[in-house]
Amino acid sequence: AQTVTQSQPEMSVQEAETVTLSCTYDTSESDYYLFWYKQPPSRQMILVIRQEAYKQQNATENRFSVNFQKAAKSFSLKISDSQLGDAAMYFCAYKRASQGGSEKLVFGKGTKLTVNP
Amino acid sequence: NAGVTQTPKFRVLKTGQSMTLLCAQDMNHEYMYWYRQDPGMGLRLIHYSVGEGTTAKGEVPDGYNVSRLKKQNFLLGLESAAPSQTSVYFCASSLGQGARGAFFGQGTRLTVV
Repeated sequence: AQTVTQSQPEMSVQEAETVTLSCTYDTSESDYYLFWYKQPPSRQMILVIRQEAYKQQNATENRFSVNFQKAAKSFSLKISDSQLGDAAMYFCAYKRASQGGSEKLVFGKGTKLTVNP
Repeated sequence: NAGVTQTPKFRVLKTGQSMTLLCAQDMNHEYMYWYRQDPGMGLRLIHYSVGEGTTAKGEVPDGYNVSRLKKQNFLLGLESAAPSQTSVYFCASSLGQGARGAFFGQGTRLTVV
């Protein structure tokens, strides 16, 4: 079974600084997808960024970027120019490509990010 | 565009009571899911559906039942609630084309006393 590990239960960053959240996963599959979701205090799960395993180029969405290391099974999230609104729980998630269109996701336990003014 | 709507948002149940959580999506998505979120555990898949009239078990299905009679609705039932089912429940839906990620509802906080 696939597993996703987020080794940092909590992280903090100063406003305008950069922070990196770690995620590792275990799978025997060669084709899969990886996601980062943000959960602010409102509880809403918001998709931040996604990466397709067959693409070597790291995904980027504005201030959010990933460092995808397929051989190391590592998928870290970098937040640049951190803002107070970035404070949230961040979840790393994995999905097998072979399960077709369904989005059955395996989640990590999350990292709580605090942004200090 | 409401997206994914869950009803109710909060509920307190006594042990042994039953209840149904309703999830509705207005995006014409084929796939729908129920997850539970517990402190320190992340989200875990309870049941899912790949289309109207279909359901399948996820990682933690025991104690729950689901139905997908209409494409836009996915119901999660607890027949006899237990304190171990105290959790935050999330419904999600997805289009089923590629890996675009799922869209989530706002969650239902359920407490079983």
